[in-house]
Amino acid sequence: SQTIHQWPATLVQPVGSPLSLECTVEGTSNPNLYWYRQAAGRGLQLLFYSVGIGQISSEVPQNLSASRPQDRQFILSSKKLLLSDSGFYLCASERSGANVLTFGAGSRLTVL
Amino acid sequence: GNSVTQMEGPVTLSEEAFLTINCTYTATGYPSLFWYVQYPGEGLQLLLKATKADDKGSNKGFEATYRKETTSFHLEKGSVQVSDSAVYFCAPIPYTGNQFYFGTGTSLTVIP
Repeated sequence: SQTIHQWPATLVQPVGSPLSLECTVEGTSNPNLYWYRQAAGRGLQLLFYSVGIGQISSEVPQNLSASRPQDRQFILSSKKLLLSDSGFYLCASERSGANVLTFGAGSRLTVL
Repeated sequence: GNSVTQMEGPVTLSEEAFLTINCTYTATGYPSLFWYVQYPGEGLQLLLKATKADDKGSNKGFEATYRKETTSFHLEKGSVQVSDSAVYFCAPIPYTGNQFYFGTGTSLTVIP
């Protein structure tokens, strides 16, 4: 079975600072990978998904970006954080063709 | 594209009460239908799924039936427990797509 590792688990950053959230996957190869954001009291917003190394699809234009430098590594970044970037960020993996998502434990970001 | 309408929360029930969380969807083609659960401070976990019309997904006492004629996938449980307190997400997943879109989530609190 898949295991999704996310870090850091919690992060407090000032407005305008950079961001890097990392996600790695164990237990499968060539997964589809996803970044979601869950703002306080709101549902899940799909931010990015990737079907392979270097292949990133963006769902919502914003000041965030994603990269997939290795098959099982997915990174969410920002050059300058905004207050509205605060939220709970979830990485998810889909074993190729399985049609089921496995989620990491999440990274809670607070921008002050 | 796909969209999901979930019952507004929060929902508060007494232990052993009957639970229904409504979910209706619009989708192209014939999606698989999923319910995910998010316990406090954690990522999402797959609760149950149904892959074709009239299928019933079940797990941990929860059930949902794929109703193609009403495009619904309502979640039910006959007798809820305090440990069922969580946020529940409905998601239609397209058969050939990569995009996993979730409903807004319904927060359930079960009180003793």
